[in-house]
Amino acid sequence: DAEITQSPRHKITETGRQVTLACHQTWNHNNMFWYRQDLGHGLRLIHYSYGVQDTNKGEVSDGYSVSRSNTEDLPLTLESAASSQTSVYFCASSGTGVGEQFFGPGTRLTVL
Amino acid sequence: AQSVTQLGSHVSVSEGALVLLRCNYSSSVPPYLFWYVQYPNQGLQLLLKYTTGATLVKGINGFEAEFKKSETSFHLTKPSAHMSDAAEYFCAVSDRSGGYNKLIFGAGTRLAVHP
Repeated sequence: DAEITQSPRHKITETGRQVTLACHQTWNHNNMFWYRQDLGHGLRLIHYSYGVQDTNKGEVSDGYSVSRSNTEDLPLTLESAASSQTSVYFCASSGTGVGEQFFGPGTRLTVL
Repeated sequence: AQSVTQLGSHVSVSEGALVLLRCNYSSSVPPYLFWYVQYPNQGLQLLLKYTTGATLVKGINGFEAEFKKSETSFHLTKPSAHMSDAAEYFCAVSDRSGGYNKLIFGAGTRLAVHP
């Protein structure tokens, strides 16, 4: 069955370190998205991609970057982790059509 | 621009009672609307969606939602709550600007079900 996976599921890091969160989907979807979820803020869009070599900034993109070198993967990089980036991160993908998104299980990131 | 408002960040019902979670949207084009459910420590799972056609949409786990254009609403209901329905629920509208699809999510409603 097609799926979307995220790794690691839990990560603890220190302020200032570079961190990369992986997202891999086997749906063959062109569209991929990264969100962060925090209490009181719901889901906020960080970056998204509509295809290979395409990336776009979402509403909370400062301090994050993505690159899309193939259809299956959209890694999210925190260039210099900050305590404000402690959150749960979700990756999602969607195909053509109405925009229904399929979500990964999430990565809980703690920045100390 | 598209937006979604979910009325009530927390809703509590008794087991067996009606569940009603409210969602109002704003969209400049005919909307595609979605309800997602998130169980603790899990990702979001699609409950149901409205695109075109029948305005009453049935989803998984006995949930349904009705699209009301005149009220710009897409409320989620279930006739009889079960303990397993306790979760967070998100309403979303599709942003189709530029020919692509993003989803605009509401802030979520946490549903508690008590015996």
